[in-house]
Amino acid sequence: AQSVTQLGSHVSVSEGALVLLRCNYSSSVPPYLFWYVQYPNQGLQLLLKYTSAATLVKGINGFEAEFKKSETSFHLTKPSAHMSDAAEYFCAVSVSSSGYSTLTFGKGTMLLVSP
Amino acid sequence: DTGVSQDPRHKITKRGQNVTFRCDPISEHNRLYWYRQTLGQGPEFLTYFQNEAQLEKSRLLSDRFSAERPKGSFSTLEIQRTEQGDSAMYLCASSLGQISSGNTIYFGEGSWLTVV
Repeated sequence: AQSVTQLGSHVSVSEGALVLLRCNYSSSVPPYLFWYVQYPNQGLQLLLKYTSAATLVKGINGFEAEFKKSETSFHLTKPSAHMSDAAEYFCAVSVSSSGYSTLTFGKGTMLLVSP
Repeated sequence: DTGVSQDPRHKITKRGQNVTFRCDPISEHNRLYWYRQTLGQGPEFLTYFQNEAQLEKSRLLSDRFSAERPKGSFSTLEIQRTEQGDSAMYLCASSLGQISSGNTIYFGEGSWLTVV
């Protein structure tokens, strides 16, 4: 069964520092992978998605992620953190079953940005 | 293009009462999903509609949970005889096509349920 594991429930960075949020996947088929962001008391907003085209995927707000099959990873990065990036980030994998597909999410990583 | 709309955003109810949440998906989206999210966890899939057909409901948490999408447009999620463990955020999402074909799921703002 497809699943994702996010390493680190909390990541703290200083404003201007590199952001690296880790996600490893498990899938018996080529996966579709997604990163979503959730601000407090809000729903999830798509940051970027990998659908088997380019392995380096660029998303909104300066985020990008690289699909590495050999490492079964899809880590999220941003060169320079802003205070507004403080939020919870979820990695997700597409799961197909009985004629439909949905998303299975990791437990999330809270990004804390200090001045 | 309006996004996925959910109502109410917050609901406080007494244990044993019934609650209903409504979701209006993006207008042209024929696929609709319900998820539940508890504190410190990622969203957990509950049920799926394609048009008005509920194609997956085995993941609903108990027989107290039910969902409908009567005309293939809006959907409702009902929880009967609520328990304190039902306290969570209930997220609705929609998509134009299958995720496995590269389509995106768009989420609403969520409906917070607190059972006291």
